[in-house]
Amino acid sequence: GESVGLHLPTLSVQEGDNSIINCAYSNSASDYFIWYKQESGKGPQFIIDIRSNMDKRQGQRVTVLLNKTVKHLSLQIAATQPGDSAVYFCAEAGGSARQLTFGSGTQLTVLP
Amino acid sequence: DGGITQSPKYLFRKEGQNVTLSCEQNLNHDAMYWYRQDPGQGLRLIYYSQIVNDFQKGDIAEGYSVSREKKESFPLTVTSAQKNPTAFYLCASSRQPINTGELFFGEGSRLTVL
Repeated sequence: GESVGLHLPTLSVQEGDNSIINCAYSNSASDYFIWYKQESGKGPQFIIDIRSNMDKRQGQRVTVLLNKTVKHLSLQIAATQPGDSAVYFCAEAGGSARQLTFGSGTQLTVLP
Repeated sequence: DGGITQSPKYLFRKEGQNVTLSCEQNLNHDAMYWYRQDPGQGLRLIYYSQIVNDFQKGDIAEGYSVSREKKESFPLTVTSAQKNPTAFYLCASSRQPINTGELFFGEGSRLTVL
């Protein structure tokens, strides 16, 4: 039979507010991190990346923060818009890894 | 336009049948990947290929097979040995090594076993 999927962590924010999506990683050797956005029924889209020699990087309306001490990554979205509603994934790579390892994702819902 | 093309977008299969999902890229990327996504879950790696005529198993390779005869093509066959094949399948490509840049994804293929 069909397996039952796990429920994604969810975050609901009011339109215009800032959003913070968190991600914990486990591999101390990871030195490259990416955030992806996935809209329903589509492939993930690149948002922003950061290397381990940085602790903060800014893009358009988005900021990624990296805390290597506690192996934590966060994505901040400023002035959240309805079009930001999607599932957000973090991914990591490093050491001898030739592939990205993805987190389970967070469902962001923007309320009117 | 450069990108990754997956086909078909939707596919129905009877139990016991093999099915092949197509993935083509014109980004001149060396590496290609297949991921499986189940409802409410993240992406799990099935197979990846870093160069033509070479590929490696990912975390959930059982019941799947791939080939990499051309740089631009990386088809995935879901065999009858895959016990729960209904899922959303995503193909991706990247420059090498992976931590020099992002992974580009196709739009996905949704496979339903009847």
